[in-house]
Amino acid sequence: AQTVTQSQPEMSVQEAETVTLSCTYDTSENNYYLFWYKQPPSRQMILVIRQEAYKQQNATENRFSVNFQKAAKSFSLKISDSQLGDTAMYFCAFMTYNDMRFGAGTRLTVKP
Amino acid sequence: KAGVTQTPRYLIKTRGQQVTLSCSPISGHRSVSWYQQTPGQGLQFLFEYFSETQRNKGNFPGRFSGRQFSNSRSEMNVSTLELGDSALYLCASSDTPGVRAKNIQYFGAGTRLSVL
Repeated sequence: AQTVTQSQPEMSVQEAETVTLSCTYDTSENNYYLFWYKQPPSRQMILVIRQEAYKQQNATENRFSVNFQKAAKSFSLKISDSQLGDTAMYFCAFMTYNDMRFGAGTRLTVKP
Repeated sequence: KAGVTQTPRYLIKTRGQQVTLSCSPISGHRSVSWYQQTPGQGLQFLFEYFSETQRNKGNFPGRFSGRQFSNSRSEMNVSTLELGDSALYLCASSDTPGVRAKNIQYFGAGTRLSVL
């Protein structure tokens, strides 16, 4: 069965600092996508960043970047220059043609 | 372009009743997926519709059903409600289903269902 594991239920970081959220997954598929979604207190899920499994280059979106280690099945999210607005639940997600799985989430608090 | 719209935002029902939730996808999107989010189980995939056909279904009982209309709007129905059905129900739309180029899911704000 395909699984997504986020081992850090809660994390905190000081404003302007860098934080890394961990995610590991398990699958026998070769063609899949990985995502990080953010869910602020307003509860609307927002896509943060997306990585195609066939691409070796790590995805980057402004202050957000990933470290994708396909062999290790690891997909961590690095947030640089953390801002108060980054406070949210962060979900790692995995999608194949027929399935989409989410991790349990990491609650990130950015402190002023 | 308007985002994914889910109605109602909040709903209170009692055990044994049934409920229908609605989701209007982003204009031009033909794929709609539904998820249940609870503190205990996290986010779980319910089902996905594409062009009025159910493509995939998660591991939920038959009390959970859905449909999609020709304008891509989707409804989800839960019959014979149980206390454990209390959850945030999220809908997501995308232009294509599954693993395809450029496929990104856009989520609505969800419907908070409370079963008393």
